[in-house]
Amino acid sequence: AQSVTQLGSHVSVSEGALVLLRCNYSSSVPPYLFWYVQYPNQGLQLLLKYTTGATLVKGINGFEAEFKKSETSFHLTKPSAHMSDAAEYFCAVSRASYDKVIFGPGTSLSVIP
Amino acid sequence: DGGITQSPKYLFRKEGQNVTLSCEQNLNHDAMYWYRQDPGQGLRLIYYSQIVNDFQKGDIAEGYSVSREKKESFPLTVTSAQKNPTAFYLCASSTGTGNTGELFFGEGSRLTVL
Repeated sequence: AQSVTQLGSHVSVSEGALVLLRCNYSSSVPPYLFWYVQYPNQGLQLLLKYTTGATLVKGINGFEAEFKKSETSFHLTKPSAHMSDAAEYFCAVSRASYDKVIFGPGTSLSVIP
Repeated sequence: DGGITQSPKYLFRKEGQNVTLSCEQNLNHDAMYWYRQDPGQGLRLIYYSQIVNDFQKGDIAEGYSVSREKKESFPLTVTSAQKNPTAFYLCASSTGTGNTGELFFGEGSRLTVL
């Protein structure tokens, strides 16, 4: 069975500092991996995804993530936090022969001015 | 613009009443999903449908029902059998089996039981 863990339910960073949100997954087959962002009382929006190929993937709003198979990780980073980055972030995994997507519990990011 | 429309955005219900949440998409996607979101628990799958007139239970289907009579529409009924229905409900769609799993979400419906 697939599962996703996100270390830290809440992360605070200063404006301009590095953002690092951690995600680890378990999957019996090569996974597809995703990061979604959710602003208050809204739906989720895709930030970036890994399917095949290059393990470092770039997304919207300056975010990127690196797929590390040996560590079963897909951590999300951004070099410099902006106030508008404050939101809930969800890591998700699906199987290559897709039938459903499994979400992690989410990490709430706060950006301190 | 293509997208997913959920309605109503806010809904209040008395205990013992059934309510239906609407989800419509004009993305021509084959697959549609309903998720429930509670604080600190991420998204949990209620039901999903990969084709018209067919749907499968997700992880927390008890107390919910769905229908898929049209490709564009996937309404969710929260029945009186759902013991704790207060939550944020999200509808999503994807291009269907064989895709990479990317989901497109609506804006959500917040249900409060009084």
